[in-house]
Amino acid sequence: DAGITQSPRHKVTETGTPVTLRCHQTENHRYMYWYRQDPGHGLRLIHYSYGVKDTDKGEVSDGYSVSRSKTEDFLLTLESATSSQTSVYFCAIRAGVTGTQYFGPGTRLLVL
Amino acid sequence: GESVGLHLPTLSVQEGDNSIINCAYSNSASDYFIWYKQESGKGPQFIIDIRSNMDKRQGQRVTVLLNKTVKHLSLQIAATQPGDSAVYFCAENAFNDMRFGAGTRLTVKP
Repeated sequence: DAGITQSPRHKVTETGTPVTLRCHQTENHRYMYWYRQDPGHGLRLIHYSYGVKDTDKGEVSDGYSVSRSKTEDFLLTLESATSSQTSVYFCAIRAGVTGTQYFGPGTRLLVL
Repeated sequence: GESVGLHLPTLSVQEGDNSIINCAYSNSASDYFIWYKQESGKGPQFIIDIRSNMDKRQGQRVTVLLNKTVKHLSLQIAATQPGDSAVYFCAENAFNDMRFGAGTRLTVKP
């Protein structure tokens, strides 16, 4: 499992509330990623990080922000959750010379 | 088979048969490809990878074939077992930009 944990694993929230998802890794990987997974779509990149305090946007970054204050933690924040952000969110790390990505167990988020 | 971005197709096979899952990728600059397995309620799990300088790679009960001419990738699972039931999707990597297919749902009938 590449030493990746995500919390919470499930969350139900209301439209307009802020939500923070946490990704924690134990193996000191430099690159970390946040994806969302929706039916009929492949994983879509929200944001990624290439080091402490170094982050960049992915293809679906609107409405999301991230922070990485420590190597092991990468936080994803929905500033004001909307129903369109109902999804399953996966964190990943990049490892090895090939850049293979390994995924966490996911967080299932329902925005009512 | 699947293409990056299309609706999830399904494949049903009998236990013990071989399975072939296909993937059409889009970027001719992609130089690295991965197959992932995702079981219900879990995160994607790495199965096997292949670089663009190869056309075949074998693992334990799995083989990945790459045809760069037609931008096609396939995953072959030998002697498919009930535990192989999952969604399988491919990923292509070009300049550290990884793109994922939507996947194929494999169901194994006893």
